[in-house]
Amino acid sequence: EVVLTQSPATLSLSPGDRATLSCKASQTISRYLAWFQQKPGQAPRLVIYDASDRATGIPDRFSGSGSGTDFTLTISSLAPEDFAVYYCQQRVNWPLTFGGGTKVEIK
Amino acid sequence: EVQLLESGGGLVQPGGSLRLSCAASGFNFNNYAIHWVRQAPGKGLEWVSAISGDGDRAYYADSVKGRFTISRDNSKYTLYLQVSSLRADDTAVYYCAKEKGYSLDVWGQGTTVTVSS
Repeated sequence: EVVLTQSPATLSLSPGDRATLSCKASQTISRYLAWFQQKPGQAPRLVIYDASDRATGIPDRFSGSGSGTDFTLTISSLAPEDFAVYYCQQRVNWPLTFGGGTKVEIK
Repeated sequence: EVQLLESGGGLVQPGGSLRLSCAASGFNFNNYAIHWVRQAPGKGLEWVSAISGDGDRAYYADSVKGRFTISRDNSKYTLYLQVSSLRADDTAVYYCAKEKGYSLDVWGQGTTVTVSS
């Protein structure tokens, strides 16, 4: 099983700040990593797929990078609606796995 | 508009069963694998099961293998998850999600399963 480790667990930032979230895989997964945003009471929403491709409707302040085992989600300038929990996910190997999540909270 | 709509959740006693459904619309259902993902209260996302577009291949998390069965009726654009021998730690919101490549691009709003006596 591919274990995805996200850090930090919580990121306390202000609107306008840059957010950098990390996801590390226990074995190489090429570029097949996705990022999701989840707000309270809502379903997860796909933000980034294949490490760096933005999903439909996602603003360009969101960007993803990485390959192999180390991946990063960057939000260049946090908007009020970006405060949420973010999860990374892989399906190169079964079972599909998620990271434990990073909560981006208002400082 | 591409949509997934779950139903069938509820309160069930330990050891009981339920059948969850996921109704799809707005895309060619037969062409896509669909997954079930659950989220226990206050916890992260846990993948549960998946089924190929033609229904020939099914995959399960170890935590549910032998207790849950995934299936689909492509003529009805509907996915199912039969959940049996339920335990307290199966309490969660259950989401269905459409696969796109190696990710999940469309999610339903979820249906809640509560296992309690």
